[in-house]
Amino acid sequence: DGGITQSPKYLFRKEGQNVTLSCEQNLNHDAMYWYRQDPGQGLRLIYYSQIVNDFQKGDIAEGYSVSREKKESFPLTVTSAQKNPTAFYLCASSILTGGRDTQYFGPGTRLTVL
Amino acid sequence: AQSVAQPEDQVNVAEGNPLTVKCTYSVSGNPYLFWYVQYPNRGLQFLLKYITGDNLVKGSYGFEAEFNKSQTSFHLKKPSALVSDSALYFCAVREGSARQLTFGSGTQLTVLP
Repeated sequence: DGGITQSPKYLFRKEGQNVTLSCEQNLNHDAMYWYRQDPGQGLRLIYYSQIVNDFQKGDIAEGYSVSREKKESFPLTVTSAQKNPTAFYLCASSILTGGRDTQYFGPGTRLTVL
Repeated sequence: AQSVAQPEDQVNVAEGNPLTVKCTYSVSGNPYLFWYVQYPNRGLQFLLKYITGDNLVKGSYGFEAEFNKSQTSFHLKKPSALVSDSALYFCAVREGSARQLTFGSGTQLTVLP
């Protein structure tokens, strides 16, 4: 987990609320990613960013939004449009987005909808 | 399209015995293959990857994996399992030019004392 921090570790959301998950990295990586993990489904990509002020939708972007104003930071907002947001959210980073580059993961944020 | 399969949801092995966690993949070009491990309520830790060259890749904590192009497999192995190896293991694949990494559904490894 070294070099990538996520906060908070646990987050509780009421129905209809937007919440923002923080992800910061000090690895000087250009690329950053957000994944959602549900039991038995592996990891699914929500959004990724290759460079500041640019980001791309992943496989399950609906109901989520991101920003990339700084190289070190890639916050994820879970909006009220996301109908089933309870999950474990993982942030990752890599030097670049292609080929042989290894993605390194943060410790995760567990979001629960009350 | 790229895909990866981990055919076993659960693998049990006795401490001291060799362990194997299976992974098969499908890509239309050259694959880059990765193994990660996840402990409860933690992020994924990188174990090893295959890029090119030697088919036997050595990684962290005594783990290794063998790339088999004809069988499109990348099984994770360890000669002697430890109780502390008990965790969730993920295989992942990226086709050479692809941006995204595709993960398998994970295999829960339990090493019994």
